[in-house]
Amino acid sequence: DTAVSQTPKYLVTQMGNDKSIKCEQNLGHDTMYWYKQDSKKFLKIMFSYNNKELIINETVPNRFSPKSPDKAHLNLHINSLELGDSAVYFCASSLFWAQEDTQYFGPGTRLTVL
Amino acid sequence: TQLLEQSPQFLSIQEGENLTVYCNSSSVFSSLQWYRQEPGEGPVLLVTVVTGGEVKKLKRLTFQFGDARKDSSLHITAAQPGDTGLYLCAGEVSNQFYFGTGTSLTVIP
Repeated sequence: DTAVSQTPKYLVTQMGNDKSIKCEQNLGHDTMYWYKQDSKKFLKIMFSYNNKELIINETVPNRFSPKSPDKAHLNLHINSLELGDSAVYFCASSLFWAQEDTQYFGPGTRLTVL
Repeated sequence: TQLLEQSPQFLSIQEGENLTVYCNSSSVFSSLQWYRQEPGEGPVLLVTVVTGGEVKKLKRLTFQFGDARKDSSLHITAAQPGDTGLYLCAGEVSNQFYFGTGTSLTVIP
């Protein structure tokens, strides 16, 4: 069984389009995250939700809007896509919003903006 | 933003050799984690260290947290091709993890 799943795995789109990436976890975790990994493999947190509430919102353009319909899902919607948005986006989850908690990562969504 | 620098950035060694990867910062972390990421996959947690000076072993991998909790090292003994991957350290401040710049390891058979 897949613990953290993301769809789609690959997304190729034109500049200016709006797209969404979906994430689901079946671990019963309270906390979910979105990370962006750039071409240099640098992984940076974008958002964190705990019990469907936004906890962390790093310096991310307003074009990025996360939505958590329930604890098991955290979707990422991106408006007016730009070339610089091309990256691999990882969803992750952890049991609690707590120190030392293990984060389980999804397989990633490779977004390419043309 | 807490910055963790990893060194080396790239490492290519022969099977059977030993290696050490470093993770350094000027910030103090409550805990530090090491992950391995394989191509096309998400990072997978290897270990969490919490106490300054703590040493943890995972088979041929030895992890150490610096006394001041600002740095960490990962030592691999007798590297194997299966160790190939991207190694990421992540320091925790106020329940938020900041990832390092990554070390890409290739072990040649």
